[in-house]
Amino acid sequence: QVQLQESGPGLVKPSETLSLTCVVSGYSISSDYYWGWIRQPPGKGLEWIGSIYHSGSTYHNPSLKSRVTISIDTSKNQFSLKLSSVTAADTAVYYCVRHVDNSGYSPWDSWGQGTLVTVSS
Amino acid sequence: DIVMTQSPDSLAVSLGERATINCKSSQSVLYSSNSKNYLAWYQQKPGQPPKLLIYWASIRESGVPDRVSGSGSGTDFTLTISSLQAEDVAVYYCQQYYSLPLTFGGGTKVEIK
Repeated sequence: QVQLQESGPGLVKPSETLSLTCVVSGYSISSDYYWGWIRQPPGKGLEWIGSIYHSGSTYHNPSLKSRVTISIDTSKNQFSLKLSSVTAADTAVYYCVRHVDNSGYSPWDSWGQGTLVTVSS
Repeated sequence: DIVMTQSPDSLAVSLGERATINCKSSQSVLYSSNSKNYLAWYQQKPGQPPKLLIYWASIRESGVPDRVSGSGSGTDFTLTISSLQAEDVAVYYCQQYYSLPLTFGGGTKVEIK
């Protein structure tokens, strides 16, 4: 049973960089599947941020332009998100997820519990 | 981007009655080469992450009760809960995975009448 757990600061100052890590247990991320990040502002809907394969191949949401960096560390069985130049609009619960296959064009069947990141001075 | 539009925003249904949620995509999510609709449905309960219910528009994820079903093709899709139970109270989202960026509908809140 795969498990995903997000970790990182719960409070980030405006204009700084949000950094989160997702530790995966119960499955080796170097085996298969795309892995990704999704966020949900408080009381609002879901937004896909981006996804990565163990090879390093990534997709990301153009709405976040060049602010997003997603990386993977197979030796630690984890992957990470960096979002630069944050504003209050980036305040959200951030989920790490696993795609159901290795295409990246697929839904997500495993989710972390989510971590709330607040952008505020 | 493919825009996903759900309706209604919320609905209240009596226990044991049918709940129907609609989802419309701004362009077809039917891939002609394999005749599959790249559409999924999720359930999200308060304080929890979303849970995958349906993929390929009509295939139930393992463990999802058979009172939950998905239908539709092309641009119009429906999630039906045939006999609403108390544990079905949640927000439901549709999502397309036909093209990037992957996008969600705005959600439909289902409550007990």
